[in-house]
Amino acid sequence: DIQMTQSPASLSASVGDRVTITCRASQGISRYLNWYQQKPGKAPKLLIFAASSLQSGVPSRFSGSGSETDFTLTISRLQPEDFVVYYCQQTYKTPFTFGPGTKVDI
Amino acid sequence: QITLKESGPTLVKPTQTLTLTCTFSGFSFRTSQVAVGWIRQPPGKALEWLALIYWDDDKRYNPSLKNRLAITKDTSKNQVFLTLTNMDPVDTATYYCAHSRSHYTGFDPWGPGTLVTVSS
Repeated sequence: DIQMTQSPASLSASVGDRVTITCRASQGISRYLNWYQQKPGKAPKLLIFAASSLQSGVPSRFSGSGSETDFTLTISRLQPEDFVVYYCQQTYKTPFTFGPGTKVDI
Repeated sequence: QITLKESGPTLVKPTQTLTLTCTFSGFSFRTSQVAVGWIRQPPGKALEWLALIYWDDDKRYNPSLKNRLAITKDTSKNQVFLTLTNMDPVDTATYYCAHSRSHYTGFDPWGPGTLVTVSS
């Protein structure tokens, strides 16, 4: 299985800050990397697919980059609704493993 | 608009078999590349990918659960089923189904999820 790690596990930031979350794959996955946002008690929501493609309807303050083993999710100006949990997922090879998540605290 | 919704028992006993149904609208398995996956999340923990079924009935499973899992579909009824045998308290989780247009586009959207508790 491809192992996914995320760092940091949690971070504290303020409204308006720029934050970056890192996701690393245990082997090269090309650009088959997705980012999800999960609010408490809700299903995950797709933010970014194919490493850097913004899902329709997602605010442009979210952006993704990277390839092969190293990826980043950047939120350019944190809004109050962004203080939730973020997961990366590889869809290069089954099982389509997720990272452990990063919690963004206010 | 694509929507999915999970249904099934909320409480099962240890050793029992869980069967969940994902009922969807807004897409069809008659479309090439379409897939539906199941993902679960124990309370307070991370997401775990379980299984995937493609438009052509190809099926993929998480090897850690492979012997216990089965995924099937009813194309005419727009439904996908997940069976997990020999349930254990560690299988207590919210179970989600989600649509996938291709490997490159991730899972979107997801159903709201259904919490399944395993307890005697």
